[in-house]
Amino acid sequence: ILNVEQSPQSLHVQEGDSTNFTCSFPSSNFYALHWYRWETAKSPEALFVMTLNGDEKKKGRISATLNTKEGYSYLYIKGSQPEDSATYLCAFTDSGNTPLVFGKGTRLSVIA
Amino acid sequence: EAQVTQNPRYLITVTGKKLTVTCSQNMNHEYMSWYRQDPGLGLRQIYYSMNVEVTDKGDVPEGYKVSRKEKRNFPLILESPSPNQTSLYFCASRTSGVYNEQFFGPGTRLTVL
Repeated sequence: ILNVEQSPQSLHVQEGDSTNFTCSFPSSNFYALHWYRWETAKSPEALFVMTLNGDEKKKGRISATLNTKEGYSYLYIKGSQPEDSATYLCAFTDSGNTPLVFGKGTRLSVIA
Repeated sequence: EAQVTQNPRYLITVTGKKLTVTCSQNMNHEYMSWYRQDPGLGLRQIYYSMNVEVTDKGDVPEGYKVSRKEKRNFPLILESPSPNQTSLYFCASRTSGVYNEQFFGPGTRLTVL
């Protein structure tokens, strides 16, 4: 069973602070890594799908990097806003035929 | 509007009473799956389907059944629900290939008494 770890489990930041968190996955065989944003009482929504070592993706104030050789991805939020409060999930797969394995998420709370 | 729909959104039932949670998508996606979300355990996959008439077990399939008779629908069946199946359930779909993002339904909160 693949193990996908996310850290920290939860995070509280002040409005305006920049923050980042980590997704770790097995480095032995990589196919794709997904990031999702999950707001309370809603369903997860895709942020990024990353496929190549060194990939950097950006959507507004949120960006992500990928290092497949060492098995981690970082998600960065610049100038956090209260509306960024959510759980951020990463999901990994090691082949095109196997399902995504989700981490337990990082719960971000941005305090105004 | 492109979407994944689930019904019911909320359900309280009793042990042993068969139930079905429906899932439908209008995006012509080949791949559909069911997850359950429990506190501290993250999203765990129950079953998935790569296409019509093709289904496979996920990480936690015990106590569940699925069917994929049509591309758009992927119902989750609990033949004899038990209290440990109390959970938040999500259906998701995507086009084939894990390079494609998944679209999630709104969730079904199930309580089994």
